[in-house]
Amino acid sequence: NAGVTQTPKFRVLKTGQSMTLLCAQDMNHEYMYWYRQDPGMGLRLIHYSVGEGTTAKGEVPDGYNVSRLKKQNFLLGLESAAPSQTSVYFCASSRGGRGNTIYFGEGSWLTVV
Amino acid sequence: AQSVTQLDSHVSVSEGTPVLLRCNYSSSYSPSLFWYVQHPNKGLQLLLKYTSAATLVKGINGFEAEFKKSETSFHLTKPSAHMSDAAEYFCVVSRQKTSYDKVIFGPGTSLSVIP
Repeated sequence: NAGVTQTPKFRVLKTGQSMTLLCAQDMNHEYMYWYRQDPGMGLRLIHYSVGEGTTAKGEVPDGYNVSRLKKQNFLLGLESAAPSQTSVYFCASSRGGRGNTIYFGEGSWLTVV
Repeated sequence: AQSVTQLDSHVSVSEGTPVLLRCNYSSSYSPSLFWYVQHPNKGLQLLLKYTSAATLVKGINGFEAEFKKSETSFHLTKPSAHMSDAAEYFCVVSRQKTSYDKVIFGPGTSLSVIP
């Protein structure tokens, strides 16, 4: 059972570089999410998607873009990385609907220098 | 508006003693409530969830939580702590409907278990 898989797990970027984080889920979930986790701030939602071809902004969307071209994949892009984007990024998915469990990937550690 | 308060940022217990991690929520609607656990350098794993069935919810690894509407609380307990329980714990509230943006994470409680 793969569940939610994120790649890469670790990455160091220079300020101004771009990169894409890939998330894949094999549970046929409609909803997918990208969160960032920073010390003392819990998890904050960056962007989310309620189905293939849809995306929407979360709490902290600035500096990020996303795409959901296939139901099983949700990509998070940083067009011009900044040190403030140093964080741990978690992808998650769920069926959507009341009380449904959100399943998380194992995280991607990103450092911007 | 919804919010989640985890009353302790850090809890330390001795192995074999009870664990209590406190969570209070506010929600204008009947909430669904979750506890997730995060071990170091890992993703979040669901411990248990409440979705308006029984108010006492049993989860994995011997954890349980009781939904108390009058106190707006959903505290997590375990009778006897194990070393492997050392981790970060997140209380999560979600609105009854499907809107993602009503899923709110608490700031987390770090649990240490002393041998």
